[in-house]
Amino acid sequence: KAGVTQTPRYLIKTRGQQVTLSCSPISGHRSVSWYQQTPGQGLQFLFEYFSETQRNKGNFPGRFSGRQFSNSRSEMNVSTLELGDSALYLCASSGTERGSEQYFGPGTRLTVT
Amino acid sequence: GESVGLHLPTLSVQEGDNSIINCAYSNSASDYFIWYKQESGKGPQFIIDIRSNMDKRQGQRVTVLLNKTVKHLSLQIAATQPGDSAVYFCAEIGGRRALTFGSGTRLQVQP
Repeated sequence: KAGVTQTPRYLIKTRGQQVTLSCSPISGHRSVSWYQQTPGQGLQFLFEYFSETQRNKGNFPGRFSGRQFSNSRSEMNVSTLELGDSALYLCASSGTERGSEQYFGPGTRLTVT
Repeated sequence: GESVGLHLPTLSVQEGDNSIINCAYSNSASDYFIWYKQESGKGPQFIIDIRSNMDKRQGQRVTVLLNKTVKHLSLQIAATQPGDSAVYFCAEIGGRRALTFGSGTRLQVQP
């Protein structure tokens, strides 16, 4: 099976702009989660989607949003970018109910200038 | 590119030795505890998980130990190889299905 893919791999944006990141889960996986990774805060949960519905949400401002399509592909959007949004954004998919076995993509490195 | 913290605790071991990576967790209500491995430029890779009602689980060359009394989790890697060099994260998951990650430990394997 192909792994989790994320596009683009690298992105440079300016403060105030918005950005959309894309994630394709492993075939058959219906749960997609997004995480932000920074040197200072580590890995932090953003949200999880299952069958096109947001099932869980982390403690991030409303500027961070997402959606999932009927083919389980997911997008994450960040509006009004701030310098502190510079991070590696990771997508993970899971095919098990317990959710502990999550398979991560390579991430999208977002730099906000 | 580098994707993890710059000031992680580092464990340095000789190739062939056994490695033990430790983690303290805070949420007693978590259902599963998990170990992930992250190599430079890659996303975290699932290694092994353990259910909260177990105290030991073995995989291929790895063993996870869970001590709920002191809220401690450890990952033992047998016969450590250069390919094991990476950052290792412990994580926990509960009803919210959101992984909560620890801060990570860098494992360096000396040839």
